[in-house]
Amino acid sequence: AQSVTQPDIHITVSEGASLELRCNYSYGATPYLFWYVQSPGQGLQLLLKYFSGDTLVQGIKGFEAEFKRSQSSFNLRKPSVHWSDAAEYFCAVVGYSGGGADGLTFGKGTHLIIQP
Amino acid sequence: DVKVTQSSRYLVKRTGEKVFLECVQDMDHENMFWYRQDPGLGLRLIYFSYDVKMKEKGDIPEGYSVSREKKERFSLILESASTNQTSMYLCASSKGAGGIYEQYFGPGTRLTVT
Repeated sequence: AQSVTQPDIHITVSEGASLELRCNYSYGATPYLFWYVQSPGQGLQLLLKYFSGDTLVQGIKGFEAEFKRSQSSFNLRKPSVHWSDAAEYFCAVVGYSGGGADGLTFGKGTHLIIQP
Repeated sequence: DVKVTQSSRYLVKRTGEKVFLECVQDMDHENMFWYRQDPGLGLRLIYFSYDVKMKEKGDIPEGYSVSREKKERFSLILESASTNQTSMYLCASSKGAGGIYEQYFGPGTRLTVT
């Protein structure tokens, strides 16, 4: 069974500074990987996804992530954070069973705090 | 614009009550999912469905059941609510087979069982 680890429960970053949120996954085959963001009181919004091909993927809101198979990682980055980026970030993986749908397996989330 | 709606944002129920959480999507998606979200635990999959009248157990199905009579509607049922089912419940939908498509989430229902 697949699993996702987000090692950082909380991260504090100054506005304008760069950001990297870590995600490690465990899955036997090629994973499908996602990063979601959840603002307070809201549902989850997809930031970006990786299925195959280029290992550096671009997402919305200026975010990008890099898939590194050798490290089983899919870290999320942003060169310069804005106060509006304060939120909960979730990394997720899904396996392909060849049949119908499969649910996502989520990490426990990283809470991002932006300092003025 | 994709829309997943959930019948209530906040719900308060008593222990032992039967509780229905409703989810509707307007994208003609084949797949629908129910997750619960708890602080420090992230989101965990309860049940999912890839077709009408089909259902599959997720990681934590105990104490829950589901119903999918129409393609656009997926209901989560707590047969006899207990305090440990106090949580945020999120519904999601996606198109296609294999789970590789983006899941679109509803705003969530915060359920309190007293």
